[in-house]
Amino acid sequence: QVQLQESGPGLVKPSETLSLTCTVSGYSISSGYYWGWLRQPPGRGLEWIGSFYLSGNTYYNPSLKSRVTISVDTSKNQFSLRLSSVTAADTAVYYCARPRGDDNMHDPFEIWGRGTMVTVSS
Amino acid sequence: DIVMTQSPDSLTVSLGEKATINCKSTQSVLYYSNNKSYLAWYQQKPGQPPKLLIYWASTRESGVPDRFSGSGSGTDFTLTISSLQAEDVAVYYCQQYYSPPFTFGPGTKVDVK
Repeated sequence: QVQLQESGPGLVKPSETLSLTCTVSGYSISSGYYWGWLRQPPGRGLEWIGSFYLSGNTYYNPSLKSRVTISVDTSKNQFSLRLSSVTAADTAVYYCARPRGDDNMHDPFEIWGRGTMVTVSS
Repeated sequence: DIVMTQSPDSLTVSLGEKATINCKSTQSVLYYSNNKSYLAWYQQKPGQPPKLLIYWASTRESGVPDRFSGSGSGTDFTLTISSLQAEDVAVYYCQQYYSPPFTFGPGTKVDVK
């Protein structure tokens, strides 16, 4: 059974960098799939942040592209999100997720982590 | 970006009655080469991540009760819950995965009367 779990600081100061890690169990990231990050501000809807494939293809939401980096550590079966220069608008529950199809980014997200709340505040 | 809208914002339905949620996209999400609409529906309960219900606009995810059905093509889509159960109380989102950035509708909250 594939499981994803987000981890990282729950509180980040304005202008600093948010860093989160998604640990995958039950499946090797090296075997395929586009892995993604999404977020949901409190009481609001969902926003796709970006997705990557191990071959090197990485896609970011243009609205965040200048501030976002997604990276992978296959030795730990983890992938990470870094979001720089955060503001209160970046306060949200952050999810990592995997789509249905194993080699296609154009697929809905089937497996989700439970999410981690990140608050941006001084 | 493709903008997704949903209607209504919320609805209250009696147990056993039908609930209908609409979703529109600002441009077609139909890929003509495979005749598939790149549209999914999710259910989200408080404190939980979204759960995939429907993909390709009308294909039910494994394990999803058959009271959930999706229809539509191109730019106009519908999620129908044929007989609302207490456990269906949730917020429902549509999402296009046709063109990045992948975008979601604002959600429709479904409650029981």
